[in-house]
Parts: sequence; C-alpha cells; structure tokens
Amino acid sequence: DTGVSQNPRHKITKRGQNVTFRCDPISEHNRLYWYRQTLGQGPEFLTYFQNEAQLEKSRLLSDRFSAERPKGSFSTLEIQRTEQGDSAMYLCASSLSGEQYFGPGTRLTVT
Amino acid sequence: QKEVEQDPGPLSVPEGAIVSLNCTYSDRGSQSFFWYRQYSGKSPELIMSIYSNGDKEDGRFTAQLNKASQYVSLLIRDSQPSDSATYLCAMSARGAQKLVFGQGTRLTINP
Repeated sequence: DTGVSQNPRHKITKRGQNVTFRCDPISEHNRLYWYRQTLGQGPEFLTYFQNEAQLEKSRLLSDRFSAERPKGSFSTLEIQRTEQGDSAMYLCASSLSGEQYFGPGTRLTVT
Repeated sequence: QKEVEQDPGPLSVPEGAIVSLNCTYSDRGSQSFFWYRQYSGKSPELIMSIYSNGDKEDGRFTAQLNKASQYVSLLIRDSQPSDSATYLCAMSARGAQKLVFGQGTRLTINP
C-alpha cells in the first residue's frame, strides 16, 4: 500500500503564471482534501472531494484556484495568475473515514 | 479567538523527560481529534486520534480528551531526540470533513 503521492514536489514560477499540482490518494480512499501551509502555521483547509464530487470549498479558495477529481481517483489543483502570496506548501490528504493521511506536499515559490 | 490554540513553544527538554503538549479549542461541536507530528520540511504524519473523553495510549504516546473543558493533550513518555518536531493538534466538527489545525508546538529533545 503506497501512501499519498504528490507531483511536483517543488515548483518555482513567476508571478502571473499558471501552475497545476497533482495528488494521487491512497488507492481505496474515497475522500481527498487539499490544504495549504505557510511557515510557522498549521495547514489550512482549501477543499474536499468525496469520490468525484467537490463537496466543500474554503473561502480561502479564490476564483484563481480550481480543483478537480474527474474520475474519483487522482486530483489536480490549479492556480491561475499566481501571486507572491500563493507561495506555500500545498498538501493533499486522503481518508476512508476520519483519519486523514497526508502526501509529501508540493512547495510552491512564486517569484 | 482562534478556533484551535496551541502554545507555539519552542519547548526544549532533555532526553527521557515526559512532555505534555496542550491544545484548546473553541467549537463545542468538535467531534474528532488528532495529533500530527511534522518534521522540518516534511508533511504532517498522523500519530494519534481520539474521539471520546478520557485517555488513549499508543506506545510512548497518550492522548487525553476533555470535551467539557474543550481541551486535548498529548503526553510523550521517555522522550527521544527523534521526537524533535512540530506537533500539530487538529479536529473536525460533527458531520464535517475538514480538519482545523492549531499552529503547532515546536519541540526539541536534547540528548
């Protein structure tokens, strides 16, 4: 049983560019979550999928952010027109019930 | 008032000490509680979950929950240098899926 995987692990982009991150959950997990973490803070919830349905979105998720989970398996998180304030670790987690297991994260740096 | 509050530390103790990490929360509807360990530059790793009042022990770790006092703690016995990390308290409300995290407590165990 492999854990949650995320790609890429690091992304450096220039302000204004679009970026897309991918998350592959633990295979039998039907729930998938995206969080964002900045230095010295705990992760903040962005959005949640159960199977392919996006059931909750945080107010943090501005209209520049979009997430999909088209077949209820992997998910993508896209950020359009990146800003320096988007620089953070983007974490994906998956679960079958209450316990969420995190992937290694994608560290985004916007220059 | 933050939803989940943790003493940010840093907390530094000698090897072998008993460490108590504390977390208070404001939402009385919180139902499920979790402790994550996060090494520097890594993603959070689930170490304990607790759902009902009382103590739950797993090896050197004991989680304690008191819903009346809105308080959850993690006790680490016989602390080891490998326990040096940031410890994150997280919880979810009844019927909710997202986790709400504290800012974490940074712990250093000195050999």
